[in-house]
Amino acid sequence: DAGVIQSPRHEVTEMGQEVTLRCKPISGHDYLFWYRQTMMRGLELLIYFNNNVPIDDSGMPEDRFSAKMPNASFSTLKIQPSEPRDSAVYFCASSLGLAINEQFFGPGTRLTVL
Amino acid sequence: AQSVTQPDIHITVSEGASLELRCNYSYGATPYLFWYVQSPGQGLQLLLKYFSGDTLVQGIKGFEAEFKRSQSSFNLRKPSVHWSDAAEYFCAVAGVRDYKLSFGAGTTVTVRA
Repeated sequence: DAGVIQSPRHEVTEMGQEVTLRCKPISGHDYLFWYRQTMMRGLELLIYFNNNVPIDDSGMPEDRFSAKMPNASFSTLKIQPSEPRDSAVYFCASSLGLAINEQFFGPGTRLTVL
Repeated sequence: AQSVTQPDIHITVSEGASLELRCNYSYGATPYLFWYVQSPGQGLQLLLKYFSGDTLVQGIKGFEAEFKRSQSSFNLRKPSVHWSDAAEYFCAVAGVRDYKLSFGAGTTVTVRA
């Protein structure tokens, strides 16, 4: 298996622009997680899905952030409008069976908002 | 809510020497405990996990961790480090009802020749 795939790997955008991050989980995995990593706040869980349904989005910073999982093989995290404080590395992870089972992380998307 | 403290931000160790990374957690019951490793520019990889049973847990790459309930600790150890062990290490905890992972701030390990 190719592992969790994220695109793009790097994104540079200007404040106010819409940003869409994409994730393809490992085939067959039924849990999908979005994390954000910054120097100041460390690694934070933003939202997670089970069988394409959002289970907990309490970590989503504000209404500018939204996440969707239209099918079992694809998820997006959208920021609209983007702000400089959104600059971070965003990771997608997936797991099988239980949320506490091993999570397999993608390589991350490094987002820079100017 | 659960939380994790990793007291050491950065550790430097000589190749071949032993390594111990500290992790303390806060939770009202026995949580699920994890150690992940992140190499530069990469995502996180699970080293080992503790759910219940034997308090000494073996993981991949020669790592082990010991759960000590009395100290609320889950320290990671390796008897002899290799240059490839240079990375950032994260301890994480999940509650038995809330499966969300809470990560510590991480410890960066530098290995010198």
